[in-house]
Amino acid sequence: AQTVTQSQPEMSVQEAETVTLSCTYDTSESNYYLFWYKQPPSRQMILVIRQEAYKQQNATENRFSVNFQKAAKSFSLKISDSQLGDTAMYFCAFRATDSWGKLQFGAGTQVVVTP
Amino acid sequence: DTAVSQTPKYLVTQMGNDKSIKCEQNLGHDTMYWYKQDSKKFLKIMFSYNNKELIINETVPNRFSPKSPDKAHLNLHINSLELGDSAVYFCASSPGGASIHEQFFGPGTRLTVL
Repeated sequence: AQTVTQSQPEMSVQEAETVTLSCTYDTSESNYYLFWYKQPPSRQMILVIRQEAYKQQNATENRFSVNFQKAAKSFSLKISDSQLGDTAMYFCAFRATDSWGKLQFGAGTQVVVTP
Repeated sequence: DTAVSQTPKYLVTQMGNDKSIKCEQNLGHDTMYWYKQDSKKFLKIMFSYNNKELIINETVPNRFSPKSPDKAHLNLHINSLELGDSAVYFCASSPGGASIHEQFFGPGTRLTVL
């Protein structure tokens, strides 16, 4: 069974600064998908970024980028130029390619952006 | 137009009651899911349906019964509610299949059992 670990329960960052959230996972699969979702106070789950394990190039979406280290089973998220609207809980999620879409989530990291 | 909708958004009920949560998606997706988010914000999958057929059934008590009348709807019925059922329940949908499709989540239903 796969497990996803987010070791930082909460992180605080000032506006315009950069913050990096860590995520590690455990799997014996060779191909899989990794995601970061954010959950703002509104409770809505929003996809931030996704990465296919067979792609070596790190995914980037505007101010969000990942550092995917397959051998180390690490998938960190970097938020650059943090904005107040980035305040949210961030979840790392793993999905095996043959799992019918079942997402396995980490415990989440609460990010607080301060003025 | 809302992509994935859930009703109700809030549900407060007494222990022992039976309640249902409805979910509808207008994205034309084949696969729908129910996730439970507990008080510590931990999210865990409960069920998944593909084209109205149950394909994932995690270790969930028999009191929880999903029903998919068509591929756009996935409802969750809970019998004999217990205090531990208090949580936020999310419905989600995706095109299904093996590729890296995004799952679209509904707004969640906060269930409080008193």
